[in-house]
Amino acid sequence: RKEVEQDPGPFNVPEGATVAFNCTYSNSASQSFFWYRQDCRKEPKLLMSVYSSGNEDGRFTAQLNRASQYISLLIRDSKLSDSATYLCVVRDYGQNFVFGPGTRLSVLP
Amino acid sequence: GAVVSQHPSRVICKSGTSVKIECRSLDFQATTMFWYRQFPKQSLMLMATSNEGSKATYEQGVEKDKFLINHASLTLSTLTVTSAHPEDSSFYICSASSVSPQRSSYNEQFFGPGTRLTVL
Repeated sequence: RKEVEQDPGPFNVPEGATVAFNCTYSNSASQSFFWYRQDCRKEPKLLMSVYSSGNEDGRFTAQLNRASQYISLLIRDSKLSDSATYLCVVRDYGQNFVFGPGTRLSVLP
Repeated sequence: GAVVSQHPSRVICKSGTSVKIECRSLDFQATTMFWYRQFPKQSLMLMATSNEGSKATYEQGVEKDKFLINHASLTLSTLTVTSAHPEDSSFYICSASSVSPQRSSYNEQFFGPGTRLTVL
C-alpha cells in the first residue's frame, strides 16, 4: 500500500463549482499535513497546511481526520486559475515529506 | 515565503556526460535539503536527503555513485548526474527546510523552480 494515496482524477468542473479532493495516509505517526499545488512543468507551491481542527483560507477549506487517516481539500467557487494538480503531503517525525500522486483539476469556462 | 533557487533551469547534454545542478536557499539556512525527480505525469519521487556537512541519505533504488550529492554549506547543495543517459531525462527539483524551529516556516518545505534535464 502506498504511503499517501489520492484519486488521480482528472476532475473536470465548470467555473463556480465546488470540488472536493480526498487523501489517505498509511503512517499513523505522521505529524504534519499539507496541500501543495503544482502547475504544469513548475515546482510545487504550498497551498495550505492542514490542522486537526480544520482550517480555511478564502475559498479553500482543509480538514484532517487522524482516526481515519484522511485529509480533504474543498475548493468553493472554482476559478479557471485553480486548474492544477493538487498534492497531498504528509510529514513524519523526521524531516521527510511524502507526496501523494496528486489529483488533477481542470476548471472549465 | 522563503526562496530557493536552482541552476540551471534547463540543460541538454549528450549521453555519457555529467551534469551538475545547484540548489540554494537564498534567505534562510537549511540544514536539510531534499532532491526529487519527477517524470512526466507522475508525482515527485524523493531521491535523497542532503544534510549539511554529512553524507546524503539515498532512497532505495537510487544509485549514490550515479547521483552525487554535496551539501557544502547551510545554503547550498549540489546534485551531479554522472554519465547521464537518456533515461535520466527528467525534472529535478530540490527543496529546503528552515533550520530554526522558532521560525514560522520551520514546518514547511520550500521548493526550487526545478531543472529540466534532457539527455540526448
